[in-house]
Amino acid sequence: GDSVTQTEGLVTLTEGLPVMLNCTYQTIYSNPFLFWYVQHLNESPRLLLKSFTDNKRTEHQGFHATLHKSSSSFHLQKSSAQLSDSALYYCALSGWNYAQGLTFGLGTRVSVFP
Amino acid sequence: EAAVTQSPRSKVAVTGGKVTLSCHQTNNHDYMYWYRQDTGHGLRLIHYSYVADSTEKGDIPDGYKASRPSQENFSLILELASLSQTAVYFCASSSGVQDTQYFGPGTRLLVL
Repeated sequence: GDSVTQTEGLVTLTEGLPVMLNCTYQTIYSNPFLFWYVQHLNESPRLLLKSFTDNKRTEHQGFHATLHKSSSSFHLQKSSAQLSDSALYYCALSGWNYAQGLTFGLGTRVSVFP
Repeated sequence: EAAVTQSPRSKVAVTGGKVTLSCHQTNNHDYMYWYRQDTGHGLRLIHYSYVADSTEKGDIPDGYKASRPSQENFSLILELASLSQTAVYFCASSSGVQDTQYFGPGTRLLVL
């Protein structure tokens, strides 16, 4: 079945430094949709960005990601972290079992310090 | 902005008791989902539905039932609550299977 693997656990960084969260996926479906969701403390997950186009950069709120089907990756990046970026980030896949919706990774918690 | 509401927002239940979690959406979405969130396990799909009066099993359906009486409403039922079902439960809706899912605020369930 489909699966998503993310950078594990907690990522801590200093404000102003770049952020990169890894996401790789497995699916037999040739046209997967990939998503990044963000969940701030005591809130619900909300969409950060999504893509289904190979090798096209997608940007939103200072974050960007590029779907690379050749390497089955959809890494999330930001050039300069802000304190408000502290949150839980989920990578999600709509793959062969697309009727069932999304397959989520385990999530990566990001803590940004001054 | 899509609107998904859940009730109750938090609940304490006793082991062996029945628990019903409710979800209501005003997005006119056909697809609705129930997830549970646990530290270390991320978001796991329990049940989903793509049309009223029909529900489907997700990845972890054991111990849970679902009901979709109308397009707007989707309930999750724990007939015999157990300690292992302590978690945060999220409802979500989407217009299509590969479209953005909009999440409700969540229900924090504690089973004692």
